[in-house]
Amino acid sequence: DVKVTQSSRYLVKRTGEKVFLECVQDMDHENMFWYRQDPGLGLRLIYFSYDVKMKEKGDIPEGYSVSREKKERFSLILESASTNQTSMYLCASTKGGQGDNEQFFGPGTRLTVL
Amino acid sequence: GQNIDQPTEMTATEGAIVQINCTYQTSGFNGLFWYQQHAGEAPTFLSYNVLDGLEEKGRFSSFLSRSKGYSYLLLKELQMKDSASYLCAVNTNAGKSTFGDGTTLTVKP
Repeated sequence: DVKVTQSSRYLVKRTGEKVFLECVQDMDHENMFWYRQDPGLGLRLIYFSYDVKMKEKGDIPEGYSVSREKKERFSLILESASTNQTSMYLCASTKGGQGDNEQFFGPGTRLTVL
Repeated sequence: GQNIDQPTEMTATEGAIVQINCTYQTSGFNGLFWYQQHAGEAPTFLSYNVLDGLEEKGRFSSFLSRSKGYSYLLLKELQMKDSASYLCAVNTNAGKSTFGDGTTLTVKP
């Protein structure tokens, strides 16, 4: 059974803290993505990666960075958390190449920044 | 830029048929996806269209017209468990998708 896992379901942090969100997929997928989802704003792409050590900015990269040292793992980093980064964070992966590239999502991390 | 429009909310009755529309204007097109997302859960894949026409999968069907930038998701024999958000997403590059804001469907008895 294919799986994308995220390190935490719920996380509470203080303003200014450094936050790490981890995502692991076991499908040998090429592509990995980080989204945030907010009511009325839908899913917004933060960063994505097509390969190990490669990263591309999405639509809202400000305030975030990412790391992909291994193919199966994609980390999202909030260097200095702020209250406007309170959100649901979703990781996803796709196999890559042409054709049907459905996104497989992790269960999400609900982050609250106080 | 990318623009994907779908209705914010819809309501339907158990056992009925509902059609959720999606229009898109994107730079590049590599297929259109529909996902289902129950409250508090992650989205899950429902359908994929890359050629014009209708794709049927059980109670769910999805239609695509590339010339019109239009798709719809058709849900038949609605069940209470179909109450969820339905996300339209356009694949603009291999593996990268742009999502609509989602349509929240409420199924009433």
